[in-house]
Amino acid sequence: EIVLTQSPTTMAASPGEKVTLTCRASSSVSYMHWYQQRSGASPKLWIYETSKLASGVPNRFSGSGSGTSYSLTINSMETEDAATYYCQQGSSYPLTFGSGTKLEIK
Amino acid sequence: EVQLVESGGGLVQPGRSLKLSCAASGFTFSNYYMAWVRQAPKKGLEWVATISTSGSRTYYPDSVKGRFTISRDNAKSSLYLQMNSLKSEDTATYYCARRGTGPFFDYWGQGVMVTVSS
Repeated sequence: EIVLTQSPTTMAASPGEKVTLTCRASSSVSYMHWYQQRSGASPKLWIYETSKLASGVPNRFSGSGSGTSYSLTINSMETEDAATYYCQQGSSYPLTFGSGTKLEIK
Repeated sequence: EVQLVESGGGLVQPGRSLKLSCAASGFTFSNYYMAWVRQAPKKGLEWVATISTSGSRTYYPDSVKGRFTISRDNAKSSLYLQMNSLKSEDTATYYCARRGTGPFFDYWGQGVMVTVSS
């Protein structure tokens, strides 16, 4: 099983600040996918295949990485970006998710 | 508009069974792999099952293999999860999800709560 480790677990950012969330895989994966989950809501696909933004995702978001190290970056933090972000790998079964990074607004 | 609406959740005793349903609309259901993903209270996401377009192939993690069965009825645009021998650790919100063009989930339902307790 591929274990995904996200860091940090929790962080707070000020409006306008640049934010980088990290996801590390225990084995190499082909792509990483990211989901946003706001409090009390269902997860939403946010970034797929490492760097492709899902429909409706603002272009201040970006994704990058390869092998065992991936990241999600917010160029300029906005209030609406406060949420928990999960990474997910689909390279091998069982499909696995990271434990999430809770991003708060400062 | 893609819609996934789960139903069938509730309170069930350990060892008993429960069947979840997911009604899909807004897309050609038979063209997509479908899945269930769960989230225990205050915890992260856990993949539970995936089914191929025809239903001929199914995939499970070890945590539910042999106890849960995913199935689909393409004529009714419906997805199911039969859960047997339920344990307290199966307590979670269960989401129906559509697999996208790759092994990721591009649409999610609102979720249905399953509580396993005596």
